[in-house]
Amino acid sequence: GDSVTQMEGPVTLSEEAFLTINCTYTATGYPSLFWYVQYPGEGLQLLLKATKADDKGSNKGFEATYRKETTSFHLEKGSVQVSDSAVYFCALTPRSNDYKLSFGAGTTVTVRA
Amino acid sequence: GAGVSQSPSNKVTEKGKDVELRCDPISGHTALYWYRQSLGQGLEFLIYFQGNSAPDKSGLPSDRFSAERTGGSVSTLTIQRTQQEDSAVYLCASSPGQGSEQYFGPGTRLTVT
Repeated sequence: GDSVTQMEGPVTLSEEAFLTINCTYTATGYPSLFWYVQYPGEGLQLLLKATKADDKGSNKGFEATYRKETTSFHLEKGSVQVSDSAVYFCALTPRSNDYKLSFGAGTTVTVRA
Repeated sequence: GAGVSQSPSNKVTEKGKDVELRCDPISGHTALYWYRQSLGQGLEFLIYFQGNSAPDKSGLPSDRFSAERTGGSVSTLTIQRTQQEDSAVYLCASSPGQGSEQYFGPGTRLTVT
């Protein structure tokens, strides 16, 4: 079945460092891809998405590009802040059932001042 | 406006008891979803309701789990004869329609002792 594999955490960085969280997927056809974020004490919220190959999703300084050739959707941010400390989840919905989110295991990111 | 709300926020129950978890979706959202977030399994899809269509129950882990959605709005997830492996955070989400962005509630943390 469809699945998502993302980089194991935890990840600890200093403020203004560059962040990359790797995500690869296995799916039949061309799924939609998402990054969700869960800040401490808060619910899951959508960070960005891409629905077709070569699309770039971006939000709050984060970016991810849908790479069909490498079946990847890596999340990047050029200069992290303490407020970016959270758990990040890569996810997909398949074309056939475009409501059924499949999530990666989540990556905990801690940014130190 | 109001987001997705869930109640209770925490529930501790004894093994073998039945529990009911409630979800109030965002007003006007026709689609409603239940997910489970557990240490061992990560974030898993449980069930999906869309309007008056038959729900997609394919993610329910056993016949002890059931869910209903009354009047196209509030949903209740029921777990009968709870087991320790049912301990998890149960997340509800809603969206304006199929395939559109899912908005998550804060979750109900269930602990089975």
